[in-house]
Amino acid sequence: DGGITQSPKYLFRKEGQNVTLSCEQNLNHDAMYWYRQDPGQGLRLIYYSQIVNDFQKGDIAEGYSVSREKKESFPLTVTSAQKNPTAFYLCASSRVADNQPQHFGDGTRLSIL
Amino acid sequence: GQQVMQIPQYQHVQEGEDFTTYCNSSTTLSNIQWYKQRPGGHPVFLIQLVKSGEVKKQKRLTFQFGEAKKNSSLHITATQTTDVGTYFCAGGGSARQLTFGSGTQLTVLP
Repeated sequence: DGGITQSPKYLFRKEGQNVTLSCEQNLNHDAMYWYRQDPGQGLRLIYYSQIVNDFQKGDIAEGYSVSREKKESFPLTVTSAQKNPTAFYLCASSRVADNQPQHFGDGTRLSIL
Repeated sequence: GQQVMQIPQYQHVQEGEDFTTYCNSSTTLSNIQWYKQRPGGHPVFLIQLVKSGEVKKQKRLTFQFGEAKKNSSLHITATQTTDVGTYFCAGGGSARQLTFGSGTQLTVLP
């Protein structure tokens, strides 16, 4: 079955540590996205990529970094510069064309120890 | 930048009652998409509206896109417990990004 796989499902970070969240898709989609979800605030876009080796900042990119070395993979690193990283992180993908729906992974819940 | 406001934030209904959530955008949208997120789950695409004044139905769900393409609504007739979840609208603008509303969390009381 085609889909998006995020890992791990739960992640704990100590203060000052960087952590990397994995996102892999086998839908052959060119576009991939990272969102952060906090209670009552909906989904906020962190980074997105429409093609390999290229990505753009979203609305809340500070304290995060990404890479897009392969079409299938779009890992997100939460750096120590992100002062409030506790959240639910969702990865999504879509075709690159107007008005395309996005397909989401199951998410990673990140907590600070 | 583009902002999409969604109301209400929470809605509790008795099973069998109707439910409506509304979205308003600060700018004209190219399209509006609706997603449902079950508790503990991830958003799942429901439908997309593209044309001004468009109305689409999926069984008990009715979706509308405003004439000015700046607002939209989702109406559920005779809610069931399976309708529980958070409903998000997402507006499409330039750069092929979506701007999500804050969602309406629906609770259906049996």
